[in-house]
Amino acid sequence: EVVMTQSPATLSVSPGETATLSCRASHSVGPNLAWYQQKPGQAPRLLIYAASTRATGVPARFSGSGSGTEFTLTISSLQSEDFAVYFCHQYNGWLNTFGQGTKLEIK
Amino acid sequence: QVQLQESGPGLVKPSQTLSLTCTVSGGSITTGSFFWSWIRQPAGKGLEWIGRIYTDGSPTYNPSLKSRMSMSLDTSKNQFSLKLNSVTAADTAVYYCARLEVTSLNLDYWGQGALVTVSS
Repeated sequence: EVVMTQSPATLSVSPGETATLSCRASHSVGPNLAWYQQKPGQAPRLLIYAASTRATGVPARFSGSGSGTEFTLTISSLQSEDFAVYFCHQYNGWLNTFGQGTKLEIK
Repeated sequence: QVQLQESGPGLVKPSQTLSLTCTVSGGSITTGSFFWSWIRQPAGKGLEWIGRIYTDGSPTYNPSLKSRMSMSLDTSKNQFSLKLNSVTAADTAVYYCARLEVTSLNLDYWGQGALVTVSS
């Protein structure tokens, strides 16, 4: 099983600034990584797939990068609606695994 | 617009069977481009992939749950289901159904989630 480790667990950033979230895989997953946003009481929403491709309707301020074992989600010019929990998800092989999440909170 | 909706008992007694159904609207579950998946999330914790089932009915299960679970399709109702046997408090979670695209392997549509509590 590929273990996904996200850091930090909580990130405090002011609106208008840039947030950088990290996800590390215990084994290489190639480019097979997605990022999801989850708000309280809601289902996760797909933001990024194939490490760097934005899903339909996702604003350009969300960007993903990385490959192999190290991945980054960058959110620039933070808006109030961006404060949420973010999960990474690897799908390299049939056993999918998720990170534990990073909570992005308002500073 | 594709929509998924989970349904089933919100309370299950320990050692009994958890049964959930996901009803899909806005698209057919027989389309060969998708897997139909279950994911769960215990309160305050991360997501755990439970399993998926293809349009031909062939399932793939998380090894940690495989001995206790089964998934099935009901094409006449455009639904797919999850059964988890011998539940314990550790199975208490919000259970999500989701559509997994075959090509990109992305979970592109999710249900709103169903809270299942295991308690006597």
